[in-house]
Amino acid sequence: GQQLNQSPQSMFIQEGEDVSMNCTSSSIFNTWLWYKQDPGEGPVLLIALYKAGELTSNGRLTAQFGITRKDSFLNISASIPSDVGIYFCAGVHGSSNTGKLIFGQGTTLQVKP
Amino acid sequence: NAGVTQTPKFRILKIGQSMTLQCAQDMNHNYMYWYRQDPGMGLKLIYYSVGAGITDKGEVPNGYNVSRSTTEDFPLRLELAAPSQTSVYFCASRGGRLPNEKLFFGSGTQLSVL
Repeated sequence: GQQLNQSPQSMFIQEGEDVSMNCTSSSIFNTWLWYKQDPGEGPVLLIALYKAGELTSNGRLTAQFGITRKDSFLNISASIPSDVGIYFCAGVHGSSNTGKLIFGQGTTLQVKP
Repeated sequence: NAGVTQTPKFRILKIGQSMTLQCAQDMNHNYMYWYRQDPGMGLKLIYYSVGAGITDKGEVPNGYNVSRSTTEDFPLRLELAAPSQTSVYFCASRGGRLPNEKLFFGSGTQLSVL
């Protein structure tokens, strides 16, 4: 079945540094989503991507939908302590009306003040 | 507007017991999902539903059952609990059509099977 491989698994960075993480799949996805999860909470949507090659920003976050439709990356610029959490990529395979949304394994981000 | 409501928040089961995790949403969303999250791992899709009366298996459906008799409710049933089902369970819903891909999550149910 479809599987999303997310890397790196964890990152420990200094406040102010930029962060980059990515997600790859052997299958084509029509929608890529990036979520953040704080401890004890459900994930919250950060960015949604709908077209191959699309580059979208949300404040200090930038995400891109890969040209091959099999990958996506998320960049966080000038990290701050509240960026700490687990970041998940998620993909919708095929038509969004099929409903099937699967998640990558997550990237745990720690920011040292 | 409560969003997605999950109950209970915590539960301990003995091996072989059964239970139902409840999930309800008041946003008239067609799409509902059950995920499980093991420590340090991502969310694995158990079952999902694209509307009342329609359900389908996700990545890890074994040991679980669902039903969707109404738009609002999407209960998850564990028939014979096993230690491998110890996890945090999240229910989620979304409106469905592009560009509305925002997935609303419940607060989670922490389940331990001993």
